[in-house]
Amino acid sequence: SQQGEEDPQALSIQEGENATMNCSYKTSINNLQWYRQNSGRGLVHLILIRSNEREKHSGRLRVTLDTSKKSSSLLITASRAADTASYFCATDSNYQLIWGAGTKLIIKP
Amino acid sequence: GAGVSQSPSNKVTEKGKDVELRCDPISGHTALYWYRQSLGQGLEFLIYFQGNSAPDKSGLPSDRFSAERTGGSVSTLTIQRTQQEDSAVYLCASSFWGLGNEQFFGPGTRLTVL
Repeated sequence: SQQGEEDPQALSIQEGENATMNCSYKTSINNLQWYRQNSGRGLVHLILIRSNEREKHSGRLRVTLDTSKKSSSLLITASRAADTASYFCATDSNYQLIWGAGTKLIIKP
Repeated sequence: GAGVSQSPSNKVTEKGKDVELRCDPISGHTALYWYRQSLGQGLEFLIYFQGNSAPDKSGLPSDRFSAERTGGSVSTLTIQRTQQEDSAVYLCASSFWGLGNEQFFGPGTRLTVL
């Protein structure tokens, strides 16, 4: 069964704008990961945040984690055309990695 | 070094036939995962191998699905008596140690059951 749920399902923004995607989950977790999938490079790991962390940065990416609300957000700043992809969160709990259905992000030129 | 490789990249088969999908993980990675992804959907966990431990098969959808990992490296996912609903992209990933670590994905095998 799906644990992570991404929101929104789809997002279309202008190049240069910021994009925010959210992930909610149901049970306690050890960590939460964000992945990107596009036709060119397949599925690629972006960032991992552990349950005792609240925020993490990697380049133009910022991830937050609120364990009290069982939610995470992924912010992509200054979006580029190459950021067009589907973004998935994956939560690690109970010896399984559970994936959400993803947010489809389209960056318009 | 080389990434995760999978073969074949595409497989078209007739309903009722058996298929074998292969995954070569990154050398040194102890954990290997199989997932299934239907069009426009997220990843569905199938099976997880970690070192010499018994695999976690809890995601396999039916007894027609089985997987082996020989010598702690190459893995084969076998689907017997394929059905049309088995059509999907089958993704393999590997990582150091296991859950909680970054997973490196192969390009996938697109299976079409006619």
